[in-house]
Amino acid sequence: GQSLEQPSEVTAVEGAIVQINCTYQTSGFYGLSWYQQHDGGAPTFLSYNALDGLEETGRFSSFLSRSDSYGYLLLQELQMKDSASYFCAVRAPDTGRRALTFGSGTRLQVQP
Amino acid sequence: DAGITQSPRHKVTETGTPVTLRCHQTENHRYMYWYRQDPGHGLRLIHYSYGVKDTDKGEVSDGYSVSRSKTEDFLLTLESATSSQTSVYFCAISETELAAYNEQFFGPGTRLTVL
Repeated sequence: GQSLEQPSEVTAVEGAIVQINCTYQTSGFYGLSWYQQHDGGAPTFLSYNALDGLEETGRFSSFLSRSDSYGYLLLQELQMKDSASYFCAVRAPDTGRRALTFGSGTRLQVQP
Repeated sequence: DAGITQSPRHKVTETGTPVTLRCHQTENHRYMYWYRQDPGHGLRLIHYSYGVKDTDKGEVSDGYSVSRSKTEDFLLTLESATSSQTSVYFCAISETELAAYNEQFFGPGTRLTVL
């Protein structure tokens, strides 16, 4: 089966940098995705890593190490609007399901 | 924004009653998914569809059935609702099985309460 672990909560101050880690266990691997969800809203796609290394999209970056089954989401220059839950997700073929498996989510609280 | 709507957006029902949730898309995407979201569990896959009349089970499919008779509509049915099915239900779509960036687009969600 598949499992993903990420911290349940992270707190940081406005303007700071925060890293949200995700470790996964899968048989087979097609990539690691990150989604953001504000309270009461729908998840929205942030980034995707299929290969090792860092992908940068504005203030957000995502990193993947396939050998360590580990990735992280890096948020720079934190803003109050970044307060949300962040989910890592994998699409892995071992279940035969053509769908994503999500972690339990990390709730980020940005304080002034 | 991807054109995905869910109906109803909120529903309160009683244990033992049947409930059908509808997901409608205007993107002509092949893949459609139903997830439920509960505190501490993230998003868990209930069922998904990879084409008209082609569906498969997810990790929490017990007590749920689905149907897809048209590309644009994916229905989730609770044959006999139980209190454990109180949750927020999200529909999602994706264009291909391995979309270029593994991206799924989510609908606004349906908050279901079973009393």
